[in-house]
Amino acid sequence: GAGVSQSPRYKVAKRGQDVALRCDPISGHVSLFWYQQALGQGPEFLTYFQNEAQLDKSGLPSDRFFAERPEGSVSTLKIQRTQQEDSAVYLCASSPIGLGASEEQFFGPGTRLTVL
Amino acid sequence: KQEVTQIPAALSVPEGENLVLNCSFTDSAIYNLQWFRQDPGKGLTSLLLIQSSQREQTSGRLNASLDKSSGRSTLYIAASQPGDSATYLCAVLSIQGAQKLVFGQGTRLTINP
Repeated sequence: GAGVSQSPRYKVAKRGQDVALRCDPISGHVSLFWYQQALGQGPEFLTYFQNEAQLDKSGLPSDRFFAERPEGSVSTLKIQRTQQEDSAVYLCASSPIGLGASEEQFFGPGTRLTVL
Repeated sequence: KQEVTQIPAALSVPEGENLVLNCSFTDSAIYNLQWFRQDPGKGLTSLLLIQSSQREQTSGRLNASLDKSSGRSTLYIAASQPGDSATYLCAVLSIQGAQKLVFGQGTRLTINP
């Protein structure tokens, strides 16, 4: 596709439910990133993949958060037993190459998660 | 740990004015700095990317400068228009930190007709 796509665009979950957020990066992009943006704040890094390898997950806020990219293209961010503090916009980005490269990251439209 | 600060948090100006948004960062060891625009409820649109070896980049009415040694960047918007109203975010790609962008909290800009 022409850009990074994310689905769903909006998700409402009851507290305690599990959710899965999908990201389709730009075709051929090696690197994929997930960021979390709370209301009125700048995005914060969650995790980074180079192809299928998760090289950095230091930003995941708890063990309820899990991300995967099994075939090196589409990625899924899963949140188990959602809490109200998980309410945020989840942004996905991709870039062409990877570690050590100074590249632009291209962002998707985000998924707005609201936990009731 | 890299920290990025944007001042002011909000800015409201009349249409037609030139304006400057500020961004500062604590660690000068960066690959690049990006300026983004975010409209309400939308994702991020990249405006300008400045490599660490560059001093400025221009696109239309936008000009971004980078002073890496002092840890500062500015985004200059000329002849502002109501359509420029949005939140502007700056982000740095640190050499330490495995490719993650570190963002400021943004400046919410309102251009009044």
